[in-house]
Amino acid sequence: DIQMTQSPSSLSASVGDRVTITCRASQSISGYLNWYQQKPGKAPKLLIYSASTLRGGVPSSFSGSGSGPDFTLTISSLQPEDFATYYCQQSYIIPWTFGQGTKVEIK
Amino acid sequence: QVQLVQSGAEVKKPGASVKVSCKASRYTFADFAMHWVRQAPGQRLEWLGWIKTDTGNTKYSQKFQGRITITRDKSASTAYMELNSLRSEDSAVYFCARDHSSGWEYLDYWGQGTLITVSS
Repeated sequence: DIQMTQSPSSLSASVGDRVTITCRASQSISGYLNWYQQKPGKAPKLLIYSASTLRGGVPSSFSGSGSGPDFTLTISSLQPEDFATYYCQQSYIIPWTFGQGTKVEIK
Repeated sequence: QVQLVQSGAEVKKPGASVKVSCKASRYTFADFAMHWVRQAPGQRLEWLGWIKTDTGNTKYSQKFQGRITITRDKSASTAYMELNSLRSEDSAVYFCARDHSSGWEYLDYWGQGTLITVSS
């Protein structure tokens, strides 16, 4: 199975900060990388698919980049509603696998 | 807006089986595949399997092969996930999630989750 590793596992940031989360796959997955946001007690929500395509309705403060094994999710200006846990997920090969999550907390 | 409504929480004894339903609405059910994903407390999301809703073809994570069955009822726009031989490690929230396509691309809508607790 492809292992997905995110860093950091958690971070503290302030409203307005720029935040970057990285995700590394254990092998090349081309651009088959998706990002989800999850808030406590809720289902995940899709933010970005195919590494860099923003889902309709998602604020443009979110962006994704990368290919092969290394990817990043950037929030250009953190808003109060962005405090959540973020997961990357590869859809290159079954079984799909997820990163361990990055929890973004308020500083 | 697409809706996926799952069945309610269940408590099961070790060795028992559980079947979770996921009723889809506000889209054509057979046009989009369905996945099942679970999340144990404090753990990462874990992919269980997938069903192509038009044909009924399935693919499962090898970890659950032999214990999991995913089915669908097109007439009821409902997908089902059955897990057998439950053990305590299966205690988790189980989600159904729609694929953006009829194949496998990404998960664009999720059910609300069903808590399954396995305890003697």
